[in-house]
Amino acid sequence: DAGVTQSPTHLIKTRGQQVTLRCSPKSGHDTVSWYQQALGQGPQFIFQYYEEEERQRGNFPDRFSGHQFPNYSSELNVNALLLGDSALYLCASSLQPGEQYFGPGTRLTVT
Amino acid sequence: QKEVEQNSGPLSVPEGAIASLNCTYSDRGSQSFFWYRQYSGKSPELIMSIYSNGDKEDGRFTAQLNKASQYVSLLIRDSQPSDSATYLCASLSGNAGKSTFGDGTTLTVKP
Repeated sequence: DAGVTQSPTHLIKTRGQQVTLRCSPKSGHDTVSWYQQALGQGPQFIFQYYEEEERQRGNFPDRFSGHQFPNYSSELNVNALLLGDSALYLCASSLQPGEQYFGPGTRLTVT
Repeated sequence: QKEVEQNSGPLSVPEGAIASLNCTYSDRGSQSFFWYRQYSGKSPELIMSIYSNGDKEDGRFTAQLNKASQYVSLLIRDSQPSDSATYLCASLSGNAGKSTFGDGTTLTVKP
């Protein structure tokens, strides 16, 4: 049973550029959430997708957008990258609210 | 004040001892609580969920919830060096999709 997968593993971008991160949920899971985790901090909720709709959103600017596809996979897009966007981006899938299974994450570095 | 507060630690216990990890939350609408373990350089892994007041045991782990005091704890019995990790407490408000994480407590179990 494949767990949550994310790509790419690492990414280096320049300020002002745009980035797309991808996530495939655990088999059978229909809900995908995205988190940003800075070093030494807990994951910060960006948004959650269910049935291809953004169901909830955290306190992140509109530069952060996402999408969920019919097969439940998801993308996170970040426009106009800032240095402060450098972090580990985690995707989590769930079937039961709150019981989340995390992917390995994408380490984004903005220079 | 953060919505979910944890002592950052580090908490150090000898092998075989009981490790006690604590978490407080400010949102009285929070209904469900979760403990995740995160090894250095890895993504969080769900280890316990608790939904009602009282204790919930799973192997060496016991989660405790007191909604009146807005307090959640995790006890790890017979601690092993492999338990050394950062433990994240998370809350889920109602049936909302947003999980709020604390910044974690780092546990070190010394042989």
